[in-house]
Amino acid sequence: KQEVTQIPAALSVPEGENLVLNCSFTDSAIYNLQWFRQDPGKGLTSLLLIQSSQREQTSGRLNASLDKSSGRSTLYIAASQPGDSATYLCAVTGGADGLTFGKGTHLIIQP
Amino acid sequence: ETGVTQTPRHLVMGMTNKKSLKCEQHLGHNAMYWYKQSAKKPLELMFVYNFKEQTENNSVPSRFSPECPNSSHLFLHLHTLQPEDSALYLCASSQETGFYYNEQFFGPGTRLTVL
Repeated sequence: KQEVTQIPAALSVPEGENLVLNCSFTDSAIYNLQWFRQDPGKGLTSLLLIQSSQREQTSGRLNASLDKSSGRSTLYIAASQPGDSATYLCAVTGGADGLTFGKGTHLIIQP
Repeated sequence: ETGVTQTPRHLVMGMTNKKSLKCEQHLGHNAMYWYKQSAKKPLELMFVYNFKEQTENNSVPSRFSPECPNSSHLFLHLHTLQPEDSALYLCASSQETGFYYNEQFFGPGTRLTVL
C-alpha cells in the first residue's frame, strides 16, 4: 500500500527566505505527483503536476522536482511571502485512479 | 459558476438523519472523486467515477452511498452516520484519457458535523 510522508510537519520562516518542502513515497510505481496548497477551512488549490516521465515543473516562484526511483519530491519556494502561508500537500497517483496524500506541511511566513 | 462547486458548504446532522452532498464540475471533465479529510489524518479517497461508472470504492462503509447521474454531477448520500464521520468532504474532477493521469481540481468542500 502506497504511503506518502511529508517533512517537516510544520515550518515557520521570516519573509523573503527561500525554503524547501519534502515529500517521500514508498512505492515508486506512480503515474504522477501533484502539489497542492490548502488554506484553513478551504478546498485544495493545485500548484504543480509532475508526470512520472518528468524531472521537474516550475510555476512562478515555485519549483517542484521528482526523483521517482528514490521515491522523493521537493517543492522549492523562492522569496517567500506572507501570502504563501498555508498547508502544502503532496499526493501521488498509482494503480488506483485516485490520489494518495501525505499529511501536509503547515507553513507560516512571518512578515 | 466555474471550476468545481459543492453544496452545502456546512452541514450538521443527527445520526438518524438522511442527507445528501452535491458536487458539480464546470470543466468538461469525465472523472469525479469523493475524498474525506479528517483531523490529524491524510486526505482519503472514497469513491471514483470514470465516464459515470464507479471504478473505485476504497472500502467505504455502506452508510455512504455515491451517485453519479452524469459526468458533471456527483452526489454523496448519507444515512445513519456516526460522530466519527464528521470531516471535510471534498469533491474533485479530472479529464482522463486512458494514456496518462491528469491534474485533479478540487471543490471547496462540505464541512460535515454529525451529532
